[in-house]
Amino acid sequence: AQTVTQSQPEMSVQEAETVTLSCTYDTSESDYYLFWYKQPPSRQMILVIRQEAYKQQNATENRFSVNFQKAAKSFSLKISDSQLGDAAMYFCAYRSGPFSGGKLTFGQGTILTVHP
Amino acid sequence: ETGVTQSPTHLIKTRGQQVTLRCSSQSGHNTVSWYQQALGQGPQFIFQYYREEENGRGNFPPRFSGLQFPNYSSELNVNALELDDSALYLCASSHLAGAAGELFFGEGSRLT
Repeated sequence: AQTVTQSQPEMSVQEAETVTLSCTYDTSESDYYLFWYKQPPSRQMILVIRQEAYKQQNATENRFSVNFQKAAKSFSLKISDSQLGDAAMYFCAYRSGPFSGGKLTFGQGTILTVHP
Repeated sequence: ETGVTQSPTHLIKTRGQQVTLRCSSQSGHNTVSWYQQALGQGPQFIFQYYREEENGRGNFPPRFSGLQFPNYSSELNVNALELDDSALYLCASSHLAGAAGELFFGEGSRLT
């Protein structure tokens, strides 16, 4: 079974600064997908960024980028120019292959606080 | 394009009772997944439904059951409620196939 570990229960950052959230995972599969989801106090999970394991290039979405190290099974999220609206719980998630639909394995989450 | 909606948003039950939670999928999606999220924890996969049949199940007992309807809406039923069932229940819709298909989550039902 796959596992996802987020070793940072809480992180904080000053507005406009950069912060990196860590995630490691364990799998024996070669075809999989990794995600970072954001869950604000409103509770609705929002996709931040995704990475296909077969792609060597790290995904980027505006201020959000990942550092995907497949051999090390590491998938960190970097948030640049942090904004107050980035404050939320962040979850790293794993999905097997292209036919798993909505079956994700989530990490325990990291609470991100952004200070003005 | 409509989003994923869940009802009720909050509910309180007594140990031993039964509960039904409802979810309306994102338009065009054929798969519905349910997750249990305990306070301060990551969501745990309960099961998913595709074409009205269960298509994958997590480590949850049979008293957690579900349905998917022809319009792709879904229900989660929990029988014989236990105290540990107190959690936020999230519904997500997606396509079964497709590369890295995005999940669209509802805002959840908070069960106490």
